[in-house]
Amino acid sequence: RKEVEQDPGPFNVPEGATVAFNCTYSNSASQSFFWYRQDCRKEPKLLMSVYSSGNEDGRFTAQLNRASQYISLLIRDSKLSDSATYLCVVNNPSGTYKYIFGTGTRLKVLA
Amino acid sequence: DTGVSQNPRHKITKRGQNVTFRCDPISEHNRLYWYRQTLGQGPEFLTYFQNEAQLEKSRLLSDRFSAERPKGSFSTLEIQRTEQGDSAMYLCASSLGEDTVHIQYFGAGTRLSVL
Repeated sequence: RKEVEQDPGPFNVPEGATVAFNCTYSNSASQSFFWYRQDCRKEPKLLMSVYSSGNEDGRFTAQLNRASQYISLLIRDSKLSDSATYLCVVNNPSGTYKYIFGTGTRLKVLA
Repeated sequence: DTGVSQNPRHKITKRGQNVTFRCDPISEHNRLYWYRQTLGQGPEFLTYFQNEAQLEKSRLLSDRFSAERPKGSFSTLEIQRTEQGDSAMYLCASSLGEDTVHIQYFGAGTRLSVL
């Protein structure tokens, strides 16, 4: 079983749609969680950190469920510019705080 | 530009040659990470430095791979006797030790193609 699992997609959605991605992780001791966005052939860029209380940034909402060990990302009112791969990231709690990445979920927003 | 800088951006080499990549982290960041990413996969951890000390190496890092961070600033990743399977994007990231959330910032990567 992979440490961080995501549906690779692709998710093809029309402009204006709401789309949700989920991610599960296996290490219950993990402490920090993130969503990164990666455009084709570019580096990952932090989209948002994920907190137990949930957090929102404009059209993006992230949630963490520690009991079920999953993380979600909700994108409302999708824009063409949201087309990218969304990487679920869990921080390994061993002391190095290395990142464990999911495979990424590809999103394509269609005009 | 005060972000993470990686050079070269692209490297094409023949099988069996040695290659070296450089990473300049954000200046005050004491933690530095190397990752490798192949097509359709998320990045995978290779190695970690805290200041100049290399504190963890992944099993992915075979004997042909070596990384250094001699003065706790920039880092190099060398691959000896390259193989076609080494073709990937090599990403460097840095973070601030005092950051309790441990957010990592990534460089643009070095894309290696081994022919």
